[in-house]
Amino acid sequence: EAQVTQNPRYLITVTGKKLTVTCSQNMNHEYMSWYRQDPGLGLRQIYYSMNVEVTDKGDVPEGYKVSRKEKRNFPLILESPSPNQTSLYFCASSPRYGDYGYTFGSGTRLTVV
Amino acid sequence: GESVGLHLPTLSVQEGDNSIINCAYSNSASDYFIWYKQESGKGPQFIIDIRSNMDKRQGQRVTVLLNKTVKHLSLQIAATQPGDSAVYFCAESSNTNAGKSTFGDGTTLTVKP
Repeated sequence: EAQVTQNPRYLITVTGKKLTVTCSQNMNHEYMSWYRQDPGLGLRQIYYSMNVEVTDKGDVPEGYKVSRKEKRNFPLILESPSPNQTSLYFCASSPRYGDYGYTFGSGTRLTVV
Repeated sequence: GESVGLHLPTLSVQEGDNSIINCAYSNSASDYFIWYKQESGKGPQFIIDIRSNMDKRQGQRVTVLLNKTVKHLSLQIAATQPGDSAVYFCAESSNTNAGKSTFGDGTTLTVKP
């Protein structure tokens, strides 16, 4: 089944403890992206990648890192999580520009205490 | 001047009626637009897209209209069904920064039986 897989689905962590949310797609898509969704603020793009080893900042990149070492994987790294990073995170992938937009994963609900 | 539909955060319609969801976009350079549907507990799902060289595009029970003059996008759902109840988002992109996709404020559609 063609899909974007994120792990974990739920995560509770403490302030300052480094974490990684993994994302993998099996559709051979060129583009990948991370979004966060917060009540009243909608979906905001954190980082995106249009190719292996190519990443760009979205609208809210502060406090996050990403890497694209392989086409299928695009992990999101929080080096020192803070409570304001408590959010619902979505990974997404797209085959190319102008083609069916992004396919989204099921989301990761992160709570930082 | 030309009037366009207002963006409403919520919309309630009767089953069988037609729904119109509006979206204003901000970037004059945007040339690709997508409507997504997000059901509770899931990631956004592609509904229909349109490029800036078109004014209208039709899918199954859905139609997207694009007015570039006033930077307005609308999604029309014909014969709305209970399964259409969800949050609907528009998103805009530009081929000058192809991986970046900015979401608008969502509209929660509730279909009453």
